Amino acid sequence: AQSVTQPDIHITVSEGASLELRCNYSYGATPYLFWYVQSPGQGLQLLLKYFSGDTLVQGIKGFEAEFKRSQSSFNLRKPSVHWSDAAEYFCAVPPRYSSASKIIFGSGTRLSIRP
Amino acid sequence: SAVISQKPSRDICQRGTSLTIQCQVDSQVTMMFWYRQQPGQSLTLIATANQGSEATYESGFVIDKFPISRPNLTFSTLTVSNMSPEDSSIYLCSVALSGTASYEQYFGPGTRLTVT
Repeated sequence: AQSVTQPDIHITVSEGASLELRCNYSYGATPYLFWYVQSPGQGLQLLLKYFSGDTLVQGIKGFEAEFKRSQSSFNLRKPSVHWSDAAEYFCAVPPRYSSASKIIFGSGTRLSIRP
Repeated sequence: SAVISQKPSRDICQRGTSLTIQCQVDSQVTMMFWYRQQPGQSLTLIATANQGSEATYESGFVIDKFPISRPNLTFSTLTVSNMSPEDSSIYLCSVALSGTASYEQYFGPGTRLTVT
């Protein structure tokens, strides 16, 4: 069965420091992969998505993610975090075929920013 | 993308009562979804609501508890019936834009429900 694992429940980094949030997936074929961000009191916003092609994906707000098939990973990175990046981040595997509609979400990683 | 609004944004309700949550989209969409996010948890799909047909519920969710309406291509409601404290959650609607595959979904801001 498909699954998404985010090993880190909570991460704290200093403002201006680099960030990497981990995501591992279990899937029979090359999956589609998303990262969503949920700011406090807000809904989910799509940060970036991977479907195929270049394994380094650029997203909004200065985020990027790299798909590594050998490690079954899709880690989210940002070279320098800002206080406004404090939020909950969800890795997700959408259905590969449009006949299915269920997105599988990871458990989320809460990011705190140290001033 | 799509602009999605939800009403109410939050509510505190007494057990045994029901609450209807509205989801409005600024464009016509084929597929709408309702999710529950329990405190400190990830998102769980409740049901898929397609216009002109009955909602399709995920395992563990039933129509009597979570009736859904989808009267047109821009609007849907989710009712949380006979509420208990265990229903305290954030309820989010999402949409898949018409003409795209259902996997690319956009989310509303959520309705934060507290049941006392």
